[in-house]
Amino acid sequence: DIQMTQSPSSLSASVGDRVTITCRASQDIRKYLAWFQQKPGKAPKSLIYAASSLESGVPSKFSGSGSGTDFTLTISNLQAEDVGTYYCQQYNSYPHTFGQGTRLEIK
Amino acid sequence: QVQLVQSGAEVKKPGASVRVSCKASGFTFTDYHIHWVRQPLGQGLEWMGRINPNNGGTSYAQKFQGRVTMTRDMSVTTAYMELNRLRSDDTAVYYCARVVPCTTLVCSSLDSWGQGTLVTVSS
Repeated sequence: DIQMTQSPSSLSASVGDRVTITCRASQDIRKYLAWFQQKPGKAPKSLIYAASSLESGVPSKFSGSGSGTDFTLTISNLQAEDVGTYYCQQYNSYPHTFGQGTRLEIK
Repeated sequence: QVQLVQSGAEVKKPGASVRVSCKASGFTFTDYHIHWVRQPLGQGLEWMGRINPNNGGTSYAQKFQGRVTMTRDMSVTTAYMELNRLRSDDTAVYYCARVVPCTTLVCSSLDSWGQGTLVTVSS
């Protein structure tokens, strides 16, 4: 199975900050990486697919980059509503493994 | 609008089976694959498998092979996930989610999710 490793595991930032979360795959997954946001008690919400394509309706403050084994999710102009846990998922090969999650909070 | 509506919470004893349903509406059921993902309380997401409603073809995570069965009923646009021989560590919220199959031009991800079904396994 492909292992997905996210860093950091948790992150605290101020309103207006730009934050970056990284995701590393244990082998080449080309561009088949997605990012999800999950708020407490809610289902995950898709933000980014194919490493850098923004899901319909998702604000442009979210952006993704990378290919191969190293990927990043960047959130600009951080707001209170961005608090939650962020997950990456590879879908290059089965099983479609998730990273362990990054918990984002506001200082 | 696109909706995936799951069945209600379940409480099961160890060794029993559970079946969770996922009713699709607002889109053409056979144009998408349905994936199942679970999340133990307070923990991360775990991919379980997927079904192609068109032909019933499935792919399961090795961890669940032999214990999980994913099916669909096209007449009611509903996907099902059955997990057998339940253990206490199967206690989790189970989600279904849809994804359009990859083409040569684009390969997207899980774009719409059900609300989740809590399955509690306890003696």
